[in-house]
Amino acid sequence: DGGITQSPKYLFRKEGQNVTLSCEQNLNHDAMYWYRQDPGQGLRLIYYSQIVNDFQKGDIAEGYSVSREKKESFPLTVTSAQKNPTAFYLCASSIVGNSGANVLTFGAGSRLTVL
Amino acid sequence: SQQGEEDPQALSIQEGENATMNCSYKTSINNLQWYRQNSGRGLVHLILIRSNEREKHSGRLRVTLDTSKKSSSLLITASRAADTASYFCATPTGGGNKLTFGTGTQLKVEL
Repeated sequence: DGGITQSPKYLFRKEGQNVTLSCEQNLNHDAMYWYRQDPGQGLRLIYYSQIVNDFQKGDIAEGYSVSREKKESFPLTVTSAQKNPTAFYLCASSIVGNSGANVLTFGAGSRLTVL
Repeated sequence: SQQGEEDPQALSIQEGENATMNCSYKTSINNLQWYRQNSGRGLVHLILIRSNEREKHSGRLRVTLDTSKKSSSLLITASRAADTASYFCATPTGGGNKLTFGTGTQLKVEL
C-alpha cells in the first residue's frame, strides 16, 4: 500500500534534548511538508521541500531543522531551542502541480510531549 | 498566520441533519481544498474546488466558492455519526507551493 509513515507515534522527551521525527513516503511525491498542530487549533507549516536537497522555512521554523537527502524521506528535528515543543506533528506529501493545486496526503502524526 | 477562518468553531447536530461549515480567506486564490481530521489522526483530503467553479459535489458533500466574498462553504447532507470529525479549509500560498490551513470546525453528529 502506498502512503506516508510517521514514527514514532508517541514520543516523550526531557527539556533540553533534541528529538528527530521520521517521515517516509512511497508515493513517489516530490514535495514533502511538516506541520505542527496544537490542541483545538489549525495546522501551522514548519518546513517544506519541493525537491531533494532543497527545503524552505514555513511560518514557524525557529527551533526546528530538516533534511531532504532522499526523495522518500523528510525527517524533522525538534531542537532544544524550540521553546514549546509539546504538540502533534503531521508530515504530508504531494506531487508538484503546475496550477498550485497540490493535494496533500498526510501521515498519521507523531505526538511529542516534553516532560 | 492563518489564511482561512472556519465558522462555526464547533457544531453539534443530530444524525440525519445537514451540517454547514464556512471558510473565509484573505488573499486571491486559484483553488480551495477541504480536509477532514478524525481525532488524533492525520488529515484526509475531501474535495478541491477551482476559482472558476462555483459549486462542486462529491457524494454527500457539496462545496461552494464565492471568490468575490473570499468565502467557501462545505455542506454535508444527511449526516451520520461517522462524520464526527474536524473539518479544515486550505488555500495555496507562497506562489502555490504550500497550503495554509484554517482553524477548523469541530463537528459532532449525535445519534
